[in-house]
Amino acid sequence: QVQLQESGPGLVKPSETLSLTCAVSGYSISSGYYWGWIRQPPGKGLEWIGSIYHSGSTYYNPSLKSRVTISVDTSKNQFSLKLSSVTAADTAVYYCARDFSGWGFYNYWGQGTLVTVSS
Amino acid sequence: QSALTQPRSVSGSPGQSVTISCTGTSSDVGGYNYVSWYQQHPGKAPKLMIYDVSKRPSGVPDRFSGSKSGNTASLTISGLQAEDEADYYCCSYAGSYTFEVFGTGTKVTVL
Repeated sequence: QVQLQESGPGLVKPSETLSLTCAVSGYSISSGYYWGWIRQPPGKGLEWIGSIYHSGSTYYNPSLKSRVTISVDTSKNQFSLKLSSVTAADTAVYYCARDFSGWGFYNYWGQGTLVTVSS
Repeated sequence: QSALTQPRSVSGSPGQSVTISCTGTSSDVGGYNYVSWYQQHPGKAPKLMIYDVSKRPSGVPDRFSGSKSGNTASLTISGLQAEDEADYYCCSYAGSYTFEVFGTGTKVTVL
């Protein structure tokens, strides 16, 4: 069974960089598929942040592109998100997920992790 | 890229059918047959219910069906059940610059 688990600080100061990791079990990232990050501010809707193909190609939401970096570490079977210059507007539950198509079809999700931006 | 437009809420009695619309543009919903739908219960991660406009992943009841006409996609839940009460989000591929865009979300209430 494929499982994804997000980890990282739950509190980040304004202007700093948010860093999260998604550990994947039950499937080798190097075998294929796209791996994405989606976030959800408290009480609001879902927002796609970006995705990475198993080969390392990346795709970012244009509205966040200047601040986002997604990378993959196949040796640890995990992928990561870095979001720089954060503000309170970046406070959200961050989900990692597997996209089996490249078209936004996420069939496996992590449980999500709340990241709060506050001083 | 703006979020796809969904009604804020829809409701129905057990056994009834409800339909949720997802309106985009010719650059997203209308331009590609890559629409998906997600169900999200409070405090839980989203669950894929429909992909490729109308296909159901294994394990999703056939009470859930999807369709598309022009720039609007729709999710229909037939034979509404109490456990269907949740938030629902559509998502569409939007080309090689925007890539993916989610809908605003719809709360389904079972009366």
